[in-house]
Order: sequence, then C-alpha cells, then structure tokens
Amino acid sequence: DAGVIQSPRHEVTEMGQEVTLRCKPISGHNSLFWYRQTMMRGLELLIYFNNNVPIDDSGMPEDRFSAKMPNASFSTLKIQPSEPRDSAVYFCASRRTGESPLHFGNGTRLTVT
Amino acid sequence: EDQVTQSPEALRLQEGEGSSLNCSYTVSGLRGLFWYRQDPGKGPEFLFTLYSAGEEKEKERLKATLTKKESFLHITAPKPEDSATYLCAVQAGIGNTPLVFGKGTRLSVIA
Repeated sequence: DAGVIQSPRHEVTEMGQEVTLRCKPISGHNSLFWYRQTMMRGLELLIYFNNNVPIDDSGMPEDRFSAKMPNASFSTLKIQPSEPRDSAVYFCASRRTGESPLHFGNGTRLTVT
Repeated sequence: EDQVTQSPEALRLQEGEGSSLNCSYTVSGLRGLFWYRQDPGKGPEFLFTLYSAGEEKEKERLKATLTKKESFLHITAPKPEDSATYLCAVQAGIGNTPLVFGKGTRLSVIA
C-alpha cells in the first residue's frame, strides 16, 4: 500500500499565478479530504468528497479556490489567482468508511511571494 | 460548532519523565475521538480511536483515555524518538463526516 500520494511536495510561486495541487488517495478508499495547516489556525478542512462527489466546500476560503475529483484515484485543488496569505501546507487525506481513521499524505508546502 | 482545545501548546520532558497531554472537546454526538502523531515535514499519522467514555487504548509508551468532556494521552518513560506534535480530533454527526482537529501539543523529549 503506497499510502496517499501528493504532488508537488513544495511549490513556490508568485502572487497572481495559478497553483494546482494533486492527490492520489489510497486504492479502495471512497472519501477524500483536503485540509490546510498553518501555525496560527492548525488543520482546517477545506472540502471533502464521498464517492467522487463534493459534499461540503464551506471551508474553501474564497472563490479563488476550487477542487475536483474526476475519478476515484485522483483529485486536484486549484488556487487562481494565488495570494501570499495562501501560503500554508496543504494535506490530502482519504478514508475507506465513515468509521475508519483518515490517512494523510505528506502534504504540499505552498509559498506565494 | 464542534471545538477541540489541546493543552499545553508545548511540552518539554526529560527522557523517562512521564506526563499527560490534554484534549478538551465540545461536540454534538461524538462518534469518535482520534489521536495522531505528526513529525516535521510529514502528514499526521494515526495512533488511536476512542469511541465512548471510559475507553482506554495503549500502544508502546502511549495510553489514551476518554471521558465525556476530554481525552488524555499519557506518555510513560518517554524517549527522544517520541518527540513530535500530537494532534487530537473529533468526529460527529451521521455518515461519512470529517474530523475537526485541535492545534496540537509539541512534545520535545530531551536525552
């Protein structure tokens, strides 16, 4: 089991540029979650999917953020345009059922200058 | 709104000096309380799930307990390799709902 795979591990971009973060969940897991982690606010939920369908995107900070899950093995989180306050570590996590724990990837560290 | 508060924010221990980390929560209809360990540059790693008050779980030098309002992570005879950030999270509601996390406790164990 390869675990949750995120890419890239690090992303440095300039303000105004588009950023796309990618996630491959564990095979057989039917739920996928995007979280953002900062020192000030800790881990915050952005959006989650069940069976590839977005369930709750109320954590997405602004319309600049969007997420898709075109199939069970791939999801993207896009920020367009990016701003310095978007700098954080973005984690993807997946889960097999509602009662099982979340399994996290190693995150994407985003720096917007 | 579901809330999770962890204390202390940071804890420094000598090797072998046991202590406890606290996680207080406010949630409607707790389905599970989760403990995770996070090392620098890595994602959170699952440790335990507790489902009901009075439940306890152990793994090596770690023991997690749960009451109706809080959970404790007890660390017995810690070693430097136990240094990490420990995160607590709760799950509420019906169905496949997300976890709400506390901000964590940064534990440093000094040899």
